[in-house]
Amino acid sequence: DQQVKQNSPSLSVQEGRISILNCDYTNSMFDYFLWYKKYPAEGPTFLISISSIKDKNEDGRFTVFLNKSAKHLSLHIVPSQPGDSAVYFCAASEGTYKYIFGTGTRLKVLA
Amino acid sequence: DTAVSQTPKYLVTQMGNDKSIKCEQNLGHDTMYWYKQDSKKFLKIMFSYNNKELIINETVPNRFSPKSPDKAHLNLHINSLELGDSAVYFCASSPLRDYGYTFGSGTRLTVV
Repeated sequence: DQQVKQNSPSLSVQEGRISILNCDYTNSMFDYFLWYKKYPAEGPTFLISISSIKDKNEDGRFTVFLNKSAKHLSLHIVPSQPGDSAVYFCAASEGTYKYIFGTGTRLKVLA
Repeated sequence: DTAVSQTPKYLVTQMGNDKSIKCEQNLGHDTMYWYKQDSKKFLKIMFSYNNKELIINETVPNRFSPKSPDKAHLNLHINSLELGDSAVYFCASSPLRDYGYTFGSGTRLTVV
């Protein structure tokens, strides 16, 4: 049973526009969430995190929103750049070191 | 360079063989992990060590055994390799859970 789901396997966005990547989870005990970016033949790179006590966290062009009642989080990238083209994973944990990852969304930013 | 490094990057081997993947981090992190990314790109945790102590041991075959000689190293040994073990294996480390992981670049294991 997949507790963290990224239902869109791919997304294409024009350069300069907003990219919105979505993630849904089923375990209401998850209290910390992370987003990672992964380029081909490289390991995932940590992007941004959010705790369940917040509903928004910003870091430069990246903003993560958390809707606990809907068990949904999203990553917004504004403005999108060609270098943002990668696979994005969301991950969640419930008070432990163990993170459950989604299957990823491939973002393609078109120049 | 400060990083998580794992070797080898590629590993092709025959069924039934025993192989090891090594992982080292020089970030001073206390916790290290092994994740498996399967053909569906699903990243699933296998093991985690904190200061050489096993803290996460997911349901993986006994053929997989992690070994942590010190907190900077976490190796993965696989006995009697099977076709289904083909995957990309990622090592990672973290200082505290809230800081996320630093991943290695992965080891692509192909069992033929």
